[in-house]
Amino acid sequence: AQKITQTQPGMFVQEKEAVTLDCTYDTSDQSYGLFWYKQPSSGEMIFLIYQGSYDEQNATEGRYSLNFQKARKSANLVISASQLGDSAMYFCAMREVVRTSYDKVIFGPGTSLSVIP
Amino acid sequence: DGGITQSPKYLFRKEGQNVTLSCEQNLNHDAMYWYRQDPGQGLRLIYYSQIVNDFQKGDIAEGYSVSREKKESFPLTVTSAQKNPTAFYLCASKGAWYEGSYDEQFFGPGTRLTVL
Repeated sequence: AQKITQTQPGMFVQEKEAVTLDCTYDTSDQSYGLFWYKQPSSGEMIFLIYQGSYDEQNATEGRYSLNFQKARKSANLVISASQLGDSAMYFCAMREVVRTSYDKVIFGPGTSLSVIP
Repeated sequence: DGGITQSPKYLFRKEGQNVTLSCEQNLNHDAMYWYRQDPGQGLRLIYYSQIVNDFQKGDIAEGYSVSREKKESFPLTVTSAQKNPTAFYLCASKGAWYEGSYDEQFFGPGTRLTVL
């Protein structure tokens, strides 16, 4: 069965420092997509960044970058220059094709990030 | 404004009662999803649908039912067969994926269900 693993239940980072949140995945599909979402205490889900399995370059979106190592099946999120507003839960997710024109998205257990002033 | 609405935001029910959570989207997305989130946990997939009148069970479908009579709507019913229904329920939708695109999910604000 496909699975997402996030081994860091909680992380702390000093304001203005960079932090890496780990994500490993397991799939037998050749074509898949990887996402990172942020969930503040309000509960809303905010899309951060996407990496396709065939993308050769690591994705970047502002202060977010995705360190994609396909052979290791890892897709770590790097947040540069952490801000107090980055304190939240972070979820790694994977889109996999179930059948033609039908896909599903599964999520990892999440990492709680706390930014310290 | 395009988006996803879920209602109600908070819902209380007595044990043994069925309850239906609403999810509506005006993004013209084909795919819709229901997730359950327990405190401090990740999102677990309950049901998902790619087209009208068709849906698939996710990882924790037991005790839940859905319908997809319209593209815009994907209501979730929590039945009395669900042993521990108290949780935060999130609905999401997304557009079609094609090579070269990325297709993030758009989420509603969620419904917090509490069984008394």
